[in-house]
Amino acid sequence: QVHLEESGGGLVKPGGSLRLSCAASGFPFSDSYMSWLRQAPGKGLEWVSYTSSSGSAKYYADSVKGRFTISRDNAKNSLYLQMNSLRSEDTAVYYCARGDYIAVTAWGQGTLVSVSS
Amino acid sequence: QSALTQPPSASGSPGQSVTLSCSGTSSDVGGHDYVAWYQQHPGKAPKLIIYEVTKRPSGVPDRFSGSKSANTASLTVSGLQAEDEADYYCTSYAGRETRWVFGGGTKLTVL
Repeated sequence: QVHLEESGGGLVKPGGSLRLSCAASGFPFSDSYMSWLRQAPGKGLEWVSYTSSSGSAKYYADSVKGRFTISRDNAKNSLYLQMNSLRSEDTAVYYCARGDYIAVTAWGQGTLVSVSS
Repeated sequence: QSALTQPPSASGSPGQSVTLSCSGTSSDVGGHDYVAWYQQHPGKAPKLIIYEVTKRPSGVPDRFSGSKSANTASLTVSGLQAEDEADYYCTSYAGRETRWVFGGGTKLTVL
């Protein structure tokens, strides 16, 4: 059974940092592209970043480029998102997901990141 | 402002068919066969229902079908059921620079 579980969300002040983690199980993690997507309260879905199976290729939405960094540890079946210089508009539920623009075949339940003073 | 344009709402009665549209450009929907559709119930994570324009993941009923004509993709839900009431999002590959674009979502109501 495919399972993705995010952690690390919370309340942070503008300009602050957070690191999200995602523990994966039930599928060949090291063979899978992985993504982070987000959904602001009452709004639609937005992709944040995705990475190739080895982690050598990384892609970012313009809205987070230069502030967020995606990484993965295939030995630990884990995906990460380091978020720096956070802004109020980064407030959202962040989803860890298996796949990329072709198809996201599994999603975590999401972790809420709130950026507010 | 989402890159792909979806009508904010749609509705149909049980048993009827409804088609949701997703309008893009030749740089995204019209230029690549990587259109996907996701269903999201309130408070839940999204679920993939269509990928590569027309393909259905295992477990998704064949009442859901996808198509594309020029720069517009469509999702048709046939034989509407109460559990189909949800938000539906389309996405597309958009080339090496932009990569991935999303629609703003359509709220489907089953009357």
